[in-house]
Amino acid sequence: EVQLVESGGGLVQPGGSLRLSCEVSGFTFRSYEMHWVRQAPGKGLEWLAYISGGSSAIYYADSVKGRFTISRDNAKNSLFLEMNSLRAEDTAVYYCSRWGSYGYHFDYWGQGALVTVSS
Amino acid sequence: QSVLTQPPSVSAAPGQKVTIFCSGSSSNVAKNSLSWYQQLPATAPKLLIYDNNKRPSGIPDRFSGSKSGTSATLDITGLQTGDEADYYCASWDSTLSGVVFGGGTKLTVL
Repeated sequence: EVQLVESGGGLVQPGGSLRLSCEVSGFTFRSYEMHWVRQAPGKGLEWLAYISGGSSAIYYADSVKGRFTISRDNAKNSLFLEMNSLRAEDTAVYYCSRWGSYGYHFDYWGQGALVTVSS
Repeated sequence: QSVLTQPPSVSAAPGQKVTIFCSGSSSNVAKNSLSWYQQLPATAPKLLIYDNNKRPSGIPDRFSGSKSGTSATLDITGLQTGDEADYYCASWDSTLSGVVFGGGTKLTVL
């Protein structure tokens, strides 16, 4: 069974940093591209970042470029999102998601990790 | 402002059919495949339709998708109260090199 489990969310002050993790199981992690997507309270889905299976290709949304860093450890079946210079508008539920093998779609999602940026 | 455009809400009675539209551009919907996601309250999104019109296993055939040019539609027939959710379209944008989402459509089954 495919599982994605996020961790590392919590309360952080503006300007602070946080590192989210996504531990996966049930599939060959290194063979899949992965993404981070977030959802602010009461708002829609916002794509944040993409990483290829071997980490050779990485893309970011303009809203987080230069502040957030996506990475992965294929040996540990884990995806990460390092978030720096956090702002109040970064408050959201953060999801990791697997990119489907064929075609452009998210076929599995984690349960989400809540990040609250507030003083 | 979302790159893909969806109506904020739609509604219909149980048993009826509803269509949700998604509009994009030549760099996303027209060029790449489109997917649809269902998000029930307080849950993670779930894949409903991929490659414009394919259903993952376990998704009933009451859900169907289509695409033409820069627009796509999600049809839901035989509406059930359990279909009340937010629905999102998404596509890869070749110019932005990223995924773009619609703003989401809230379905109410009256």
